[in-house]
Amino acid sequence: EDQVTQSPEALRLQEGESSSLNCSYTVSGLRGLFWYRQDPGKGPEFLFTLYSAGEEKEKERLKATLTKKESFLHITAPKPEDSATYLCAVRLRDDKIIFGKGTRLHILP
Amino acid sequence: NAGVTQTPKFQVLKTGQSMTLQCAQDMNHEYMSWYRQDPGMGLRLIHYSVGAGITDQGEVPNGYNVSRSTTEDFPLRLLSAAPSQTSVYFCASTYGGSSTGANVLTFGAGSRLTVL
Repeated sequence: EDQVTQSPEALRLQEGESSSLNCSYTVSGLRGLFWYRQDPGKGPEFLFTLYSAGEEKEKERLKATLTKKESFLHITAPKPEDSATYLCAVRLRDDKIIFGKGTRLHILP
Repeated sequence: NAGVTQTPKFQVLKTGQSMTLQCAQDMNHEYMSWYRQDPGMGLRLIHYSVGAGITDQGEVPNGYNVSRSTTEDFPLRLLSAAPSQTSVYFCASTYGGSSTGANVLTFGAGSRLTVL
């Protein structure tokens, strides 16, 4: 069964305290892995797409990496405005795009 | 350019009633999909479509019907609402095939449905 698992479920950090979010996947035919950010009461917003092991993407304080079994979203020196739920998704061979349950990130000032 | 538009934003139904959640996009996206989001459950795929006239089931399709008669519209129908269908529903779309923009889903603002 195709599955996307994110950890931790929730994470509280002090402003400036770097950390990483994990997304592990078990799928039969990966056609892409994606990270989204979701603020309360809104739809998810796209952050990154990764297609092959070893690939990395960066945007401001965020960096996404991909291996054959998992992806990490590294957050460097986070600010309170980085507080959100971060969602990982994969596109399967049959074009389904399925999501993990997300990591709720709270950055304390 | 409105993006993905969902209506209504809020709806309250009684058990057994039927309704349609509307989704329209003006970006000429081939791929459209419906998700539901429940606390602690993330986004779960209900149905998706890779183009007009083509639909397929997602992870949780039971109790929902869809059709795709045009590229722009992808309505989600609840034939007989149940309390278990209380949720926030998101419609999303993207380019189809293997184009550069494929896979980058654009989401609507969501429709909050309560079934009593």
